[in-house]
Amino acid sequence: DSGVTQTPKHLITATGQRVTLRCSPRSGDLSVYWYQQSLDQGLQFLIQYYNGEERAKGNILERFSAQQFPDLHSELNLSSLELGDSALYFCASSGKTGLDEQYFGPGTRLTVT
Amino acid sequence: DQQVKQNSPSLSVQEGRISILNCDYTNSMFDYFLWYKKYPAEGPTFLISISSIKDKNEDGRFTVFLNKSAKHLSLHIVPSQPGDSAVYFCAARRTGNQFYFGTGTSLTVIP
Repeated sequence: DSGVTQTPKHLITATGQRVTLRCSPRSGDLSVYWYQQSLDQGLQFLIQYYNGEERAKGNILERFSAQQFPDLHSELNLSSLELGDSALYFCASSGKTGLDEQYFGPGTRLTVT
Repeated sequence: DQQVKQNSPSLSVQEGRISILNCDYTNSMFDYFLWYKKYPAEGPTFLISISSIKDKNEDGRFTVFLNKSAKHLSLHIVPSQPGDSAVYFCAARRTGNQFYFGTGTSLTVIP
């Protein structure tokens, strides 16, 4: 158990809909990262937050947004969903430096039908 | 554009022998490299890392080698154990704190 929790575990929704994925980092970790893993793909870095502020941005679509709240939990919002958004979404957390190892949650499997 | 590549999707090794997993990268701005292990239905777990100023880092049975001139990274597992069977991801950090992951290599250690 990495100490990182993600909810929900599975999500099935229709095209055009909007969903919110939630992540609670390990106790004491200030950084939260979001990744997308599509079928047969590696993990694609989406975005990082550090102590409530956006720190780094990867290949995140404009239809996607994220935020980190004062209690350090984070939410990833996916809107106008398309079939191609079906994937595993991982959240990871790390300590202060950004060079710390990242601890991954178990992921949320999103299926868009 | 895949900046971190793991060209072998799978690898099978006999228990007790050495497992060598390879990773190539294209971006010379990467300054930190990591290996993660992933079991089915779980998130990746950190294994070992190396800074770009080093060429080797060892942790127990796991050793990571970095060849910057060749832009090549490898993970050696000696001796391999059945519990090492998992998908291994290579990752690289670019200054600015962006992380890039490879597509993974599925390692099977045969008892």
